[in-house]
Amino acid sequence: QKEVEQNSGPLSVPEGAIASLNCTYSDRGSQSFFWYRQYSGKSPELIMSIYSNGDKEDGRFTAQLNKASQYVSLLIRDSQPSDSATYLCAVTPIGNEKLTFGTGTRLTIIP
Amino acid sequence: DTAVSQTPKYLVTQMGNDKSIKCEQNLGHDTMYWYKQDSKKFLKIMFSYNNKELIINETVPNRFSPKSPDKAHLNLHINSLELGDSAVYFCASSRRTSGANVLTFGAGSRLTVL
Repeated sequence: QKEVEQNSGPLSVPEGAIASLNCTYSDRGSQSFFWYRQYSGKSPELIMSIYSNGDKEDGRFTAQLNKASQYVSLLIRDSQPSDSATYLCAVTPIGNEKLTFGTGTRLTIIP
Repeated sequence: DTAVSQTPKYLVTQMGNDKSIKCEQNLGHDTMYWYKQDSKKFLKIMFSYNNKELIINETVPNRFSPKSPDKAHLNLHINSLELGDSAVYFCASSRRTSGANVLTFGAGSRLTVL
């Protein structure tokens, strides 16, 4: 079983709709969770971090964490064509330097 | 004023050659990393240094040797290059926030081995 799993997509969402990206992880000791966005040919950039169960909102982005189910998700409201990118889920145990990434979900927003 | 800079951005070389990629960060971070991203976009950690000390050394062929002359620099030297080494190599540095490390990546170095 992969340590961090994501549906590779592609996920196509109409402009203005909600995009929902999902991620599961295998290590129950994982304590920190991140979503990175990577445009084609560019480097990953951090868009959200979440450390406790529940929802965390930042603008159009909401991260959701359920440690009991070992599940973290990212919702993008009012999707824009500029949101088209690969979204990488990453997890790390607390105090651990090793950030483990999923394979990423390619999101395409259709105008 | 680039935060994490890598050179070169592109590298094309023949099998069997030796090459190096350099990385520098001006963020004042203590920890630096090398990640490899393959053609399927899977981003996998290779090495991590904290204040010049190696703290993560994943299962990587010993043809890959990192070197950190100071905490602002982390270089990657690769000996006897193989076709499978073709990938994008990302350098990153991290700061600690809320007990976790938040990474800032460089622009990447695309290595093509012919």
